[in-house]
Amino acid sequence: ELKVEQNPLFLSMQEGKNYTIYCNYSTTSDRLYWYRQDPGKSLESLFVLLSNGAVKQEGRLMASLDTKARLSTLHITAAVHDLSATYFCAVGNSGGSNYKLTFGKGTLLTVNP
Amino acid sequence: NAGVTQTPKFRVLKTGQSMTLLCAQDMNHEYMYWYRQDPGMGLRLIHYSVGEGTTAKGEVPDGYNVSRLKKQNFLLGLESAAPSQTSVYFCASSYIPPSYGYTFGSGTRLTVV
Repeated sequence: ELKVEQNPLFLSMQEGKNYTIYCNYSTTSDRLYWYRQDPGKSLESLFVLLSNGAVKQEGRLMASLDTKARLSTLHITAAVHDLSATYFCAVGNSGGSNYKLTFGKGTLLTVNP
Repeated sequence: NAGVTQTPKFRVLKTGQSMTLLCAQDMNHEYMYWYRQDPGMGLRLIHYSVGEGTTAKGEVPDGYNVSRLKKQNFLLGLESAAPSQTSVYFCASSYIPPSYGYTFGSGTRLTVV
């Protein structure tokens, strides 16, 4: 059974600081996704990481994937208040046609002035 | 606008009542999913479908039934609602395999009293 663990679950940051969110998963996978959710809203796709060593960047967010370590990171550079949200990683199973994503519990990020 | 539409957006049920949540997508996606989101639990897969006429159980299927009679629609039914089914329900859809992740609906907030 695929398990996905995120840490930390809660993160309070000051504006301008850097931090990293970690996503570990328990079995081999070929795809990892990062999503953002604002309070009361749906999930918005941020990054899709499709291979070992993949790195994607968008603004102040950078995601990377190490499939050997079964680890993905979401790095936040010089945080701003607008980045306050819950961030989820999700891992795809390698189950052939029965493809589905398993989500971590999410990291609630609060960026304070 | 193209995407995933969920109806209703809010609903209050009494214990023992039944209801159906509707998910409709216009992107010709093969795969559709129902997740529930509870505080501190992330998203948990209820049921999913890999194509018209097919359904499969996810992580937390008990108390729910689903049907996919048409490719664009995925229905989630609660036959006899219980307070433990109070949650936010998200529908999602994707291509095979999902190189772009899921597209999520806006969610249904269900309260069972």
